[in-house]
Amino acid sequence: EPEVTQTPSHQVTQMGQEVILRCVPISNHLYFYWYRQILGQKVEFLVSFYNNEISEKSEIFDDQFSVERPDGSNFTLKIRSTKLEDSAMYFCASSAIVWSGGSTDTQYFGPGTRLTVL
Amino acid sequence: LAKTTQPISMDSYEGQEVNITCSHNNIATNDYITWYQQFPSQGPRFIIQGYKTKVTNEVASLFIPADRKSSTLSLPRVSLSDTAVYYCLVGSGGYQKVTFGIGTKLQVIP
Repeated sequence: EPEVTQTPSHQVTQMGQEVILRCVPISNHLYFYWYRQILGQKVEFLVSFYNNEISEKSEIFDDQFSVERPDGSNFTLKIRSTKLEDSAMYFCASSAIVWSGGSTDTQYFGPGTRLTVL
Repeated sequence: LAKTTQPISMDSYEGQEVNITCSHNNIATNDYITWYQQFPSQGPRFIIQGYKTKVTNEVASLFIPADRKSSTLSLPRVSLSDTAVYYCLVGSGGYQKVTFGIGTKLQVIP
């Protein structure tokens, strides 16, 4: 069964450093997402991406964050200058089809990257 | 997005059937009901989705009454590996963000 993969599984960084989290969505999917989950809290939406541009972003997704699809397979989340409060699990997700009103398409989540900011 | 309400936690013994009910009084005509499962330190995993009546797959069943203001996820004969958080979500757009609540933490007891 196809699956979303993410690397690295765990990233430790110093406050103020830049990090790039990588995701390989399911190959025929068109929509890509990033979510985060701070330990013990809810899964929170960060950003959605379609057709090489951001389609929606949350208040969390400020100027420190950026996303990119540098090639046909990878989808990345960059945090320019990490803060202690950025420590969380970051999940990438993808979904397949353009919604046509008949049903809602499932988002498939990756295993996550645990980001620890020291 | 319709607001959902589900129990914060549930305990069940192994081998029992577990039913988790979710209320969504403000569900819209175009909304579908989707359930996800999340194990600790893992990403949410799609379990089942439905619009009305009953849907069954190899993992679970989803019961949706005619008024669609609630839904019940049924897990047959749970095992210890079913210990997880279960999220009920309501929405209508496959491209839209998924908004998670706190979910129901199911603890399966030996």
